[in-house]
Parts: sequence; C-alpha cells; structure tokens
Amino acid sequence: EITMTQSPATLSVSPGERATLSCRASQSIAGNLAWYQHKPGQAPRLLIYGASTRAPGIPDRFSGSGSGTEFTLTISSLQSEDFAVYYCQQYNNWPPYSFGQGTKLEIK
Amino acid sequence: EVQLVQSGAEVKKPGATVKISCKVSGYTFTDYYMHWVQQAPGKGLEWMGLVDPEDGETIYAEKFQGRVTITADTSTDTAYMELSSLRSEDTAVYYCATDSSGYFDYWGQGTLVTVSS
Repeated sequence: EITMTQSPATLSVSPGERATLSCRASQSIAGNLAWYQHKPGQAPRLLIYGASTRAPGIPDRFSGSGSGTEFTLTISSLQSEDFAVYYCQQYNNWPPYSFGQGTKLEIK
Repeated sequence: EVQLVQSGAEVKKPGATVKISCKVSGYTFTDYYMHWVQQAPGKGLEWMGLVDPEDGETIYAEKFQGRVTITADTSTDTAYMELSSLRSEDTAVYYCATDSSGYFDYWGQGTLVTVSS
C-alpha cells in the first residue's frame, strides 16, 4: 500500500503571493498523481492529473510538477478563492487509491 | 453537463445500516468506475471502494471490507453505497466520484451521515 505524505500541514500565504505545496509517495508512482481543492461544504474539485496536466477550466496559475516520489503543486499568485484544503492522490498502484492528509492553505 | 446528485443527510443509531444513492447524468453511466470516499470530521479523504457499473464488479478498501456494499443500477443510472454495523466513527460526509483514468473527475455534493444514539 502506498502512503502519501503532504507538507506542510498548514501554509499561511498572503494574497498575490506564490504558494508551494508538496506531496511525497512512499514508493514510485511514476506520474500518476492528482491534486484536488476542497472547500468547506463543497465537493472536492480536480485541479491536476498526470502530475502536471490541468483539468478543464482550471486557471493557469495552478501548476503541478514532479514524478516518481516527489510532487509539487504551485499556485503562482494567490486569489481569495484559492484558500482551501488541497489533497494529492495516487492512482498508480491500487487498490487502495490513497490520498495525502491534506494541506490547509490559509490567508496570512 | 456531468452531474452526480446524492441523497440527503441521514441520522442513524449505532448498529444500523445506511444506504446512500448517487444519481448520474450527462455521461454514459457504464463508461466509468464509480467510487465512494469518506471524510470524517476534521479528517482527510479516504477511499472506500468502487464499482464498475458495466459488470457490477466491486473492489473495497480493507478498512471497510465486510461492512460496505457498493452497487450500480444501470436502469436508473444510480450508484449506491451501503454501510452496515454503523458506529460513531462512521459519522462523516460520503462522496461519490467518477473515474475516467484513475483520478476522480466529477464528485457528488456529499451526504452527511450522523451516527448517534
């Protein structure tokens, strides 16, 4: 079973600044990684799949990178609507499909 | 437009069984796996299992094996998740989500299940 570890648990960033979120897999998952944004009371929203491909309708300020075991989600210039919890998820070796524990992105 | 519409909130007593539905529209139901994901209060997302609507085959997470049953009704384009022997730790929001290539493209709005005596 693959364990996904996200860091940091909480990230405080000012609007307009860049945010960098990390996700590490316990073994190689190639590029089979997705990122989701989750706001309270809403369904999670797919942002990135294949480690770096933006889902339809996702603004280009969101970008993903990495392969193997180390991955990064970067939000280039934070907007007010970007403050949320972000999860990574691997789909290389399943079952189970495993999520990271999440990074809460909060306003500084 | 793809839509996944889940049934409403449930309150159950410990030991009871809950069954949640997820009705889809906007795509061919049998084309994609349907997954169920749990989010307990203050916790992250946890994958519970999936069903292949085309043939009804299921795969469950070890944690829920024996207590969860996921089914798909192709006559109504609806997926179901049944969780039995409920305990307080099952209090959570449950989401259905489609899978086109391993990642979860579309999600239902979530269903809150509260287990309380």
